[in-house]
Amino acid sequence: KNQVEQSPQSLIILEGKNCTLQCNYTVSPFSNLRWYKQDTGRGPVSLTIMTFSENTKSNGRYTATLDADTKQSSLHITASQLSDSASYICVVSAGSNYQLIWGAGTKLIIKP
Amino acid sequence: GAGVSQSPSNKVTEKGKDVELRCDPISGHTALYWYRQSLGQGLEFLIYFQGNSAPDKSGLPSDRFSAERTGGSVSTLTIQRTQQEDSAVYLCASSYLRGGGSQEQFFGPGTRLTVL
Repeated sequence: KNQVEQSPQSLIILEGKNCTLQCNYTVSPFSNLRWYKQDTGRGPVSLTIMTFSENTKSNGRYTATLDADTKQSSLHITASQLSDSASYICVVSAGSNYQLIWGAGTKLIIKP
Repeated sequence: GAGVSQSPSNKVTEKGKDVELRCDPISGHTALYWYRQSLGQGLEFLIYFQGNSAPDKSGLPSDRFSAERTGGSVSTLTIQRTQQEDSAVYLCASSYLRGGGSQEQFFGPGTRLTVL
């Protein structure tokens, strides 16, 4: 069964600190992996999209990594800001299937 | 200019009533998706429209759910005889091409449906 699991479920860190969110997936065949940020009451916004051949991609203070062998991805946030408080969702696209497999997300809270 | 818009933003209804949720995609986007997001859960795919092709309705949870897309633009998701388990946030997204490769999906803010 295609699944995407994320950890931790929630995380609280102090402003300015770094953090890393994890994503494990069992999706086959694999097409690409995406990280989305979802602010409370808003729709998800894409941060990064990585294909099989990419093992790292950055978007400002966000850096995503992908290990296609172990089927793991991580999202690293550097020098966190209060505006980073949101849910971060890992999403995997399976082959040519446009239907995306969504993780439940990690709820990140940044405290001043 | 705008991004994807959805209305209403919130809807409270009584069990057994019908509801209609509206989505205005980004102009020129050919693909449109409906998702459901329950509290603490990942997004659940409902239905997909691409151009003039027949929609993929494989994600609709029951025959009480239906959707249409008029003129290749605005879409309406209809839930008949609502049940309490239908309570969720309903998200709409659009993309320029078929979203399975790298085409990014742009999401609306969602409609929060509460069935009493």
